[in-house]
Amino acid sequence: DIQMTQSPSTLSASVGDRVTITCRASQSITPWLAWYQQTPGKAPKLLIYKASTLESGVPSRFSGSGSGTDFTLTVSSLQPDDFATYYCQQYSDFPWTFGQGTKVEVK
Amino acid sequence: QEELVESGGGVVQPGRSLRLSCAASGFTFSAYVMHWVRQAPGKGLEWVAVIWYDRSNKQYADSVKGRFTISRDNYRNTLDLQMNSLRVEDTAVYYCARGQSSMDVWGQGTTVIVSS
Repeated sequence: DIQMTQSPSTLSASVGDRVTITCRASQSITPWLAWYQQTPGKAPKLLIYKASTLESGVPSRFSGSGSGTDFTLTVSSLQPDDFATYYCQQYSDFPWTFGQGTKVEVK
Repeated sequence: QEELVESGGGVVQPGRSLRLSCAASGFTFSAYVMHWVRQAPGKGLEWVAVIWYDRSNKQYADSVKGRFTISRDNYRNTLDLQMNSLRVEDTAVYYCARGQSSMDVWGQGTTVIVSS
């Protein structure tokens, strides 16, 4: 199975901050990586697919980059609605696997 | 609008069975690969199973292989998950999701609690 490792596990930030979350795969998955946002009690929401393609309706302050085994999700200017948990997920091979999540909390 | 609605969750004793359903609307259900994903209390997301548009291929996580069965009815626009031999560690919110590649439409989830 492909292991996905996110860092950090928790990130403290303020509104307006630039935030970066990293995700590393145990083998090359290019470009089959997605990023999701989840708030408490809600279903995950797709933000980015194919490593860097923004899902329709997602604000442009979200961006994804990377290739091979190393990927990043960047929020250029954190907004109040962005305090949430973020997950990366590979869909290169079954079983699909998620990272353990990164919680972005208020500093 | 595109919508998925899960049902069938509840409290069940270890070793018993439960069947979850997911009703799809607002899109051509038969054209999409469909998944089940679960989330244990306070934990991350775990992919559970997938079924191809035409039921030609099914895949399962090792943790549920041999106990869970995914199925679909493209006439009724429904996705099911038959869960047998349930374990305490199957306790989770179960989501159905649409996904050709990444998963772009999710249901609100249904809660399964396995407890004696």
